[in-house]
Amino acid sequence: QQQVKQSPQSLIVQKGGISIINCAYENTAFDYFPWYQQFPGKGPALLIAIRPDVSEKKEGRFTISFNKSAKQFSLHIMDSQPGDSATYFCAVLLQGGSEKLVFGKGTKLTVNP
Amino acid sequence: AAGVIQSPRHLIKEKRETATLKCYPIPRHDTVYWYQQGPGQDPQFLISFYEKMQSDKGSIPDRFSAQQFSDYHSELNMSSLELGDSALYFCASSFRGSHEQYFGPGTRLTVT
Repeated sequence: QQQVKQSPQSLIVQKGGISIINCAYENTAFDYFPWYQQFPGKGPALLIAIRPDVSEKKEGRFTISFNKSAKQFSLHIMDSQPGDSATYFCAVLLQGGSEKLVFGKGTKLTVNP
Repeated sequence: AAGVIQSPRHLIKEKRETATLKCYPIPRHDTVYWYQQGPGQDPQFLISFYEKMQSDKGSIPDRFSAQQFSDYHSELNMSSLELGDSALYFCASSFRGSHEQYFGPGTRLTVT
């Protein structure tokens, strides 16, 4: 059973546009929600993360919106650039000891110049 | 800033051979995680260590074993390699309780 569902699978955006990627989860025991950016052949890079006690977190052009009641969180990339073209993974982490990240299936973002 | 170091970066092995992957965490990080990523897939958790003790275990085959040493580096040992073991293997490290896991560049294992 997939613990976190990510959509869309792929996304094409024009330079300067807003990229939005969504994730939904079922287990309310998750208490840490990071987003990772991965370029081909490279390791996932921690982009931004949020905990369930806040509804939004912004770092530069990247914003996480968190809806605890709907059990959803999303990544917004403002002013998208061709250099943002990568695969983005949302992830969840269970509270209470287990430190293993469970990832969504990923979204391949292409930003056209 | 120092990052996670993994070696080797590329490894080609034949079926039934063994492989050893090494991971050097970010300085002062005490927890190490191993993930496996198949082509076009998301990373899958294998195993983690905190202060040299196994702290969690995922879908790691019995043919694989791992350990963390006193200097916090970790090694993933893989025996009786199968074609399906071909994947990217990532090590990540964190400071216990911080939740922030930082990934290394990975080892690309190809089994022929």
